[in-house]
Amino acid sequence: GNSVTQMEGPVTLSEEAFLTINCTYTATGYPSLFWYVQYPGEGLQLLLKATKADDKGSNKGFEATYRKETTSFHLEKGSVQVSDSAVYFCALKAGTALIFGKGTTLSVSS
Amino acid sequence: SAVISQKPSRDICQRGTSLTIQCQVDSQVTMMFWYRQQPGQSLTLIATANQGSEATYESGFVIDKFPISRPNLTFSTLTVSNMSPEDSSIYLCSVDPGGQGARGYTFGSGTRLTVV
Repeated sequence: GNSVTQMEGPVTLSEEAFLTINCTYTATGYPSLFWYVQYPGEGLQLLLKATKADDKGSNKGFEATYRKETTSFHLEKGSVQVSDSAVYFCALKAGTALIFGKGTTLSVSS
Repeated sequence: SAVISQKPSRDICQRGTSLTIQCQVDSQVTMMFWYRQQPGQSLTLIATANQGSEATYESGFVIDKFPISRPNLTFSTLTVSNMSPEDSSIYLCSVDPGGQGARGYTFGSGTRLTVV
């Protein structure tokens, strides 16, 4: 069936460090892929998305590239800030709804 | 993108009672989705609600426990029935305003339910 696997957290980084959060998926066909972010005490927000192979989604300095050959959609940011501390969810569109990974907690310290 | 108003934002309920959660969208949407996020966990799809038809439930969720209404294209309710402490979670509604996930899915702010 369809599923999303994210790297285990928490991820703890110093400000300005490089961030990678791994995400791989299992799905039939070529699903759309998403990263959502949940800041402390807030709702779920779309961070970026990609709808086909080799697409790169980007927003707020974050990037992720849809890799069909490795069934991956890793999230990266070159220089994290304290304000990036949040829980990040990778998701795929299976049928009409989203299937989510377990989430990765990122904590950035100054 | 669509704006969702979800309420209540939080509630503390006695076991054995029921709570109805409301979601209002500022535009017409074909499908609305209800998710559960248990403490420290990811989001799990409960059901998909189409206007004018019965909701479609995911494995592990049944209509008697989570009845859903969808009276029009901008509104839906989810009821958590005969609650137990295991139902303590955040419940979220979601829509796909652009269709096909083209603009991403929008989520309500969630209802934090505690059952005592």
